[in-house]
Amino acid sequence: NAGVMQNPRHLVRRRGQEARLRCSPVKGHSHVYWYRQLPEEGLKFMVYLQKENIIDESGMPKERFSAEFPKEGPSILRIQQVVRGDSAAYFCASSLYWDTNEQFFGPGTRLTVL
Amino acid sequence: SQQGEEDPQALSIQEGENATMNCSYKTSINNLQWYRQNSGRGLVHLILIRSNEREKHSGRLRVTLDTSKKSSSLLITASRAADTASYFCAAAMNTGFQKLVFGTGTRLLVSP
Repeated sequence: NAGVMQNPRHLVRRRGQEARLRCSPVKGHSHVYWYRQLPEEGLKFMVYLQKENIIDESGMPKERFSAEFPKEGPSILRIQQVVRGDSAAYFCASSLYWDTNEQFFGPGTRLTVL
Repeated sequence: SQQGEEDPQALSIQEGENATMNCSYKTSINNLQWYRQNSGRGLVHLILIRSNEREKHSGRLRVTLDTSKKSSSLLITASRAADTASYFCAAAMNTGFQKLVFGTGTRLLVSP
């Protein structure tokens, strides 16, 4: 019963380095969502992707952040030149259809920027 | 900010008591969902209520929705220590796809 997989679970980076977060959706799901959770807060939508396409990135910071979901392989959330404010938990979710009711969430990647 | 609000922020009760959490949101929605998050873990989907529904039950969970007030409540009856977690409401906006706007969460502590 392979749910949404995320790796690494914990990632430590120094300021200025790059962070790459991976998400493998539930098998057969072609819709992926990324959310960010700051300490003591709820999740905030970042981006919605279908295979090879970014559908909505209205929650993504304009600079340093990018996301992809290639035809083969996991979805990647990439943060360049990380700053301390990027420290957060990043969650990926997937769904079977674009208008499905339920998103299945991964365990998250906790990014710490020193 | 589109983020919803939840109250209380924290709730501490004894096992066997009922726990009620409230959520308010800001935009028109397709449905509203409740999730649970154990400390340091991912989210678990609990229940979904559509915009044309007023009340829904699932086991010990009861959810209400008042679209005129843009608010929802989650009731957990006969709480157990294992219910200790953070609970989040998530409003699914009318954007075509399921864009979820999460509330700030309620931290529930159930003491044995």
